[in-house]
Amino acid sequence: GDSVTQMEGPVTLSEEAFLTINCTYTATGYPSLFWYVQYPGEGLQLLLKATKADDKGSNKGFEATYRKETTSFHLEKGSVQVSDSAVYFCALIVSGGYNKLIFGAGTRLAVHP
Amino acid sequence: EAEVAQSPRYKITEKSQAVAFWCDPISGHATLYWYRQILGQGPELLVQFQDESVVDDSQLPKDRFSAERLKGVDSTLKIQPAELGDSAMYLCASSFTGGGAGRNYEQYFGPGTRLTVT
Repeated sequence: GDSVTQMEGPVTLSEEAFLTINCTYTATGYPSLFWYVQYPGEGLQLLLKATKADDKGSNKGFEATYRKETTSFHLEKGSVQVSDSAVYFCALIVSGGYNKLIFGAGTRLAVHP
Repeated sequence: EAEVAQSPRYKITEKSQAVAFWCDPISGHATLYWYRQILGQGPELLVQFQDESVVDDSQLPKDRFSAERLKGVDSTLKIQPAELGDSAMYLCASSFTGGGAGRNYEQYFGPGTRLTVT
C-alpha cells in the first residue's frame, strides 16, 4: 500500500544551522507530496507541496524537491530559527481517489539559541 | 482568514463513557475529513465526507465510532463506549473539493480535540 517514511527524531540544532529532514515514499500511482508543520498545541499547517516530478515546493525559507527517481521529498532550510521548533510531517495524496492524505510518523525539530 | 473550528479543545472522559466532538469546516468546503493522531504518530484518516455522504470510512472502528454530517456543513464524531486506546488528538480538516487537481484539494486543519480516556 501507499506509505511515507520519515527520519526519526528528535532533530536538535542550534540556531542558524542547516536543516535536512529525510522523507521517502511508496505509492502505486503518481502522488502529490506535502510537508505539514504542527506547532505545540495546534493543528497541522501546510508548509509546502509539489505535484509532479522535479517540482520544488518552497515557503518560509523551507524547500523540498520531488524526486521521482529516488521516491524522495526531503525538507531543507538553510538557517533555522528557534521559532521553527515543531513537528514536521511528510505526506502524500495519490491521484484518482478522494485525496486521502497519508502521513509519515513525523519528525520533531528542536532549535536552540 | 477562514478557519476550521473544533470543539472542545480538550476532553477527559472515563472509559465506557460516550464522547462527542464537533467540527465546523471552512464555509463552502464540500469535503470534510476526520483524522486521529496518536501521540508520536502521524494522523490517520478515520472518515471522509463529500457533502453529507460518507466516501471513505474504511479505518473507522464502526462498533464504537460514528460520524455524521447531516446538512453537509458541520460534523460530529462520536465514540461510545470510549476505551483507553482512544486517547489521541482528533483532527478535522476540510477542502473545497475532494477530487481533482490544483489548489481545490488542499486540506485545511482545525486545532484538534485532545481526548484523554481514564
